[in-house]
Amino acid sequence: GQSLEQPSEVTAVEGAIVQINCTYQTSGFYGLSWYQQHDGGAPTFLSYNALDGLEETGRFSSFLSRSDSYGYLLLQELQMKDSASYFCAVRDRASGGSYIPTFGRGTSLIVHP
Amino acid sequence: GAGVSQSPSNKVTEKGKDVELRCDPISGHTALYWYRQSLGQGLEFLIYFQGNSAPDKSGLPSDRFSAERTGGSVSTLTIQRTQQEDSAVYLCASSPKSGLNTEAFFGQGTRLTVV
Repeated sequence: GQSLEQPSEVTAVEGAIVQINCTYQTSGFYGLSWYQQHDGGAPTFLSYNALDGLEETGRFSSFLSRSDSYGYLLLQELQMKDSASYFCAVRDRASGGSYIPTFGRGTSLIVHP
Repeated sequence: GAGVSQSPSNKVTEKGKDVELRCDPISGHTALYWYRQSLGQGLEFLIYFQGNSAPDKSGLPSDRFSAERTGGSVSTLTIQRTQQEDSAVYLCASSPKSGLNTEAFFGQGTRLTVV
């Protein structure tokens, strides 16, 4: 079944703050990552949390609660260029035995002026 | 090169034809992944190469799909007897090591359209 759950779409206005949630279910946990993908572009790495708490990188922050199998990506001072899809990802065990980056279905963030 | 390079960027093929998609990972990266992304969907794992180990092929959807990695560098994904449901963006990613917290670097993908 699906290892990760995240909302399909979030909308917000420029300058606002938005939170994209992610819950996960894996056979072993090795950290939660976030990726950004603009239309037609490559997914690019944003952040990684291995331990509980908040990691801040500029306007973006990522939070993890291992006891709740939950994390979120927080985007502050939203800009139009932040309109993109955001994927949470964990290392999960493929049926072949390898632990590979496994992605959620993605959250489409639409920023309005 | 500076990043992961994939070719071609776009490929239109007729149903039933074979196609080859190429990935040049970042130099020195030992881990290489292929994913498939259908319109508006997440990334579906296909195959994973790590160094000289046998690849994990557990994500390949059918025996029409195969991949190889020569010399621990360039990889080719081959789809035989293409079907319309194979239409998607095929993404390649590489990582510098197999550590579980390693970031994956993605190429721009090959958009495959089967008509």
